[in-house]
Amino acid sequence: DAGVTQSPTHLIKTRGQHVTLRCSPISGHKSVSWYQQVLGQGPQFIFQYYEKEERGRGNFPDRFSARQFPNYSSELNVNALLLGDSALYLCASSLLAGVTGELFFGEGSRLTVL
Amino acid sequence: RKEVEQDPGPFNVPEGATVAFNCTYSNSASQSFFWYRQDCRKEPKLLMSVYSSGNEDGRFTAQLNRASQYISLLIRDSKLSDSATYLCVVNVDSSYKLIFGSGTRLLVRP
Repeated sequence: DAGVTQSPTHLIKTRGQHVTLRCSPISGHKSVSWYQQVLGQGPQFIFQYYEKEERGRGNFPDRFSARQFPNYSSELNVNALLLGDSALYLCASSLLAGVTGELFFGEGSRLTVL
Repeated sequence: RKEVEQDPGPFNVPEGATVAFNCTYSNSASQSFFWYRQDCRKEPKLLMSVYSSGNEDGRFTAQLNRASQYISLLIRDSKLSDSATYLCVVNVDSSYKLIFGSGTRLLVRP
């Protein structure tokens, strides 16, 4: 069975541009979460979506937005990119909305902002 | 103060050694606790959940001390394949997000 898949795996952007990252959860999982991992740090929560509704938002500016589609896949959008947005963006899926067990992470999208 | 704090290491140990990592968390309302493992340039993967009574999974033992707000992970008989970063993770009030520490790096040498 396919795990969490993310695309693209690597991308390079310049300051001021925008980026869209995509995630497909494990089949049957209805919850998708997004995390940002800066080099040398642990992942930091950005968003969680469950059943196409935003259930939680981390301490990120409004330049960050996301949505979940009827097939439970998700997009993370970042506008007006800054150098500090360079990071590994991880998508995680789970069966339920609450954290009652394991989060399954994708391999991530590595964003470099020049 | 960070919500979850870990010694970044690296811990450099020989094969067969026993190594222990500690982690402290600041929010006394934290309810769920985990250790995740992250290999270099890979995604985090759940190693084990941490229960109040302590729990063991093979060579790995996790302990929780709610009074002192710290979590530990003990690895016995270290293998080369144990080399990775170990992330301490907490969840507050069974909410929707996990709070990660910055990770402790382990290097196991032959």
